[in-house]
Amino acid sequence: DVKVTQSSRYLVKRTGEKVFLECVQDMDHENMFWYRQDPGLGLRLIYFSYDVKMKEKGDIPEGYSVSREKKERFSLILESASTNQTSMYLCASRRIGTQYFGPGTRLLVL
Amino acid sequence: QQQVKQSPQSLIVQKGGIPIINCAYENTAFDYFPWYQQFPGKGPALLIAIRPDVSEKKEGRFTISFNKSAKQFSLHIMDSQPGDSATYFCAASKEDDYKLSFGAGTTVTVRA
Repeated sequence: DVKVTQSSRYLVKRTGEKVFLECVQDMDHENMFWYRQDPGLGLRLIYFSYDVKMKEKGDIPEGYSVSREKKERFSLILESASTNQTSMYLCASRRIGTQYFGPGTRLLVL
Repeated sequence: QQQVKQSPQSLIVQKGGIPIINCAYENTAFDYFPWYQQFPGKGPALLIAIRPDVSEKKEGRFTISFNKSAKQFSLHIMDSQPGDSATYFCAASKEDDYKLSFGAGTTVTVRA
């Protein structure tokens, strides 16, 4: 079974803090993704990585950056958290079209 | 701008009913159409997927209907059960593309 794990299920941060969200997959997938999920908006792609050290912006990259130093790990960074980044963050890895999602991190920025 | 439009936003059915979720897309280059199911507190999981060379695909009680000329596809849940209560997302992509374009999601509640 493919397993995608995310470092935290819930996080509470203050405005202006630097926030790291980590994702690990155990199936040697090349492609990894970060989405945010908001009610009524579905899943919106923030960034994706098609290989180690390779990344591309998704539909809503502003205010975010990513890092992929190892194949199994993909990190999302909020350089200076803002209240409008309060959301559910989902990580996924991909094999032949199918994306496999982690359980999500619910982030609250106060 | 969302490339895949999904409706309704939510629906409630009685056990045994057939909830139907509809999606429409614009990009005629899309050739892979998956549906994902998400239970509360979990990430989405692939439920069923279809390619445009077929008009219908069934897996258990879940059926996708696909209308290429109308650029629409839909999910039917036959003989729905309370355990089917979840949020369902349609999506679309070109098969060789990394990215999926997701619909906004439909929350289905099946009452016992």
